Amino acid sequence: GAGVSQSPSNKVTEKGKDVELRCDPISGHTALYWYRQRLGQGLEFLIYFQGNSAPDKSGLPSDRFSAERTGESVSTLTIQRTQQEDSAVYLCASSRAGTGQPQHFGDGTRLSIL
Amino acid sequence: GESVGLHLPTLSVQEGDNSIINCAYSNSASDYFIWYKQESGKGPQFIIDIRSNMDKRQGQRVTVLLNKTVKHLSLQIAATQPGDSAVYFCAEMSGANSKLTFGKGITLSVRP
Repeated sequence: GAGVSQSPSNKVTEKGKDVELRCDPISGHTALYWYRQRLGQGLEFLIYFQGNSAPDKSGLPSDRFSAERTGESVSTLTIQRTQQEDSAVYLCASSRAGTGQPQHFGDGTRLSIL
Repeated sequence: GESVGLHLPTLSVQEGDNSIINCAYSNSASDYFIWYKQESGKGPQFIIDIRSNMDKRQGQRVTVLLNKTVKHLSLQIAATQPGDSAVYFCAEMSGANSKLTFGKGITLSVRP
């Protein structure tokens, strides 16, 4: 079946520009997560959605980062006025509702800020 | 603060041998644990999970062991194959639909 789909797979942009990253979760998965992975590092939590509400935004690094979700489907992560330290792979995961549900990941968007 | 960590940064094993990857966690409230495999340029791939009410779970060629007393998690891979070469992450979660806390990862290298 279809997995988590992210687009674009790669994005190169100039410092100061805004970027928008997209995530299509697995159908039927009500929970959606965004993580950031810097080169050679583990994953860093950014934000979690249950349906279209975001109970946990604790990982967003600054007010330049925001995310939205339409119903129980597509989510977009927006980074405004990008900085070089924003360069990373941005990963999206989705899961079913409930306790002990594995999160399934997409292949990420590799963001490079020049 | 709470953290999940891995004891070794790299592990090199001979093809056909068994591999054991260890992980320590510090959040005693964690009740769900997952092992992921990540290949270059790909997202983490779910391998196996275990809930805190269990101490062992087996999959195909993989076994996860959980020792809550010492807050230790391990992943055993039987008859390691070249395709098992990747970075492995343990991750822990507390509560329903919560964020995962990941360790830094360990690289498994399989020698032919």
